Amino acid sequence: EAQVTQNPRYLITVTGKKLTVTCSQNMNHEYMSWYRQDPGLGLRQIYYSMNVEVTDKGDVPEGYKVSRKEKRNFPLILESPSPNQTSLYFCASSFRTPNEQFFGPGTRLTVL
Amino acid sequence: AQSVTQPDIHITVSEGASLELRCNYSYGATPYLFWYVQSPGQGLQLLLKYFSGDTLVQGIKGFEAEFKRSQSSFNLRKPSVHWSDAAEYFCAVGSNNNDMRFGAGTRLTVKP
Repeated sequence: EAQVTQNPRYLITVTGKKLTVTCSQNMNHEYMSWYRQDPGLGLRQIYYSMNVEVTDKGDVPEGYKVSRKEKRNFPLILESPSPNQTSLYFCASSFRTPNEQFFGPGTRLTVL
Repeated sequence: AQSVTQPDIHITVSEGASLELRCNYSYGATPYLFWYVQSPGQGLQLLLKYFSGDTLVQGIKGFEAEFKRSQSSFNLRKPSVHWSDAAEYFCAVGSNNNDMRFGAGTRLTVKP
């Protein structure tokens, strides 16, 4: 089944404790992206990647890192999480851009 | 950079009534326009997209949208709403710069 998977789905952590949210797609898509969703703000793009080893900042990259070492994986790294990074995070992928993006199920992160 | 405005935060319609969700965009070139739907606790699913050609596009679940360049709009319509259409709807615009911007979303409630 074609899909985008994210892990974990739920995470509660404390300020400053490094964490990684994994994202994997099995559709051989070149383009991958991370978004955060906050009430009243819709989805805001954090980082995106056009292909392996090619990443670029979206609208809200501060406090986040990404890497694209393999085509299928695009992890989101929070080196020192803060409470303002409490949010719902979505990974998405597409064959190319701009085009339809396929979204993962989301990761709800709470930073205490 | 492109931007998207969804003027209506929340809309309530009766089951069987018609629906129109508004979307206005700002982009200097021909935009790539999308409508996504998010059911509670789910990721986003593409309803329809417009890249070029016929300005009236048909999507899944009986939805359609019309691109009006003169009004910078891409409104979503459905002639008869079903209770299962209750969800949050997002308009998005993509650009040749490979980034994607989403509106803040419109939450649809369907009254029986």
